[in-house]
Amino acid sequence: DTEVTQTPKHLVMGMTNKKSLKCEQHMGHRAMYWYKQKAKKPPELMFVYSYEKLSINESVPSRFSPECPNSSLLNLHLHALQPEDSALYLCASSQGDASNEKLFFGSGTQLSVL
Amino acid sequence: GDSVTQMEGPVTLSEEAFLTINCTYTATGYPSLFWYVQYPGEGLQLLLKATKADDKGSNKGFEATYRKETTSFHLEKGSVQVSDSAVYFCALSHRGDKIIFGKGTRLHILP
Repeated sequence: DTEVTQTPKHLVMGMTNKKSLKCEQHMGHRAMYWYKQKAKKPPELMFVYSYEKLSINESVPSRFSPECPNSSLLNLHLHALQPEDSALYLCASSQGDASNEKLFFGSGTQLSVL
Repeated sequence: GDSVTQMEGPVTLSEEAFLTINCTYTATGYPSLFWYVQYPGEGLQLLLKATKADDKGSNKGFEATYRKETTSFHLEKGSVQVSDSAVYFCALSHRGDKIIFGKGTRLHILP
């Protein structure tokens, strides 16, 4: 199994809602990532978990809250989002956290905030 | 800081044409270099990589050579297909976990 699975594929939420994005991989990878991608832009790193511990937070607003319950799962909890947070949210994983590691990406969750 | 610059798109070619997408980088030391591809409606996939100077990465007919002297990692393919239509991202990774992407080049291949 060489897949990173993200659910849901599409999500529409209001600014007062609370929702969660989920990501799962069964490749035994020890590093997992959240990226945000706006249309026609490259992905922007949000968070990195390494061995289930948060190792990088790229100064992301607190309305985004990551969680890594175990080595296979990564969640992104969303609360009080703004319309400008609408984007494609990509999860990725890698075997370790070395600089030349291959990243495996999921297909993403397309989020619309109304 | 480290950065990646790649040619602006979109690039439009006819099927079987030769492809070059230019990529240059600015970085201290010796980063690893990557090309990722994003097909419509999907996440990114690693296309090829090179980890040291003069290495050539290759995959699916695409090639790129790590040129330290010109700080470049240009992507080439001898004969493109309609199925190669996608967005291509040049990237580097130098300090631990963080990978730095270029802005992406959209490629359209006409039948």
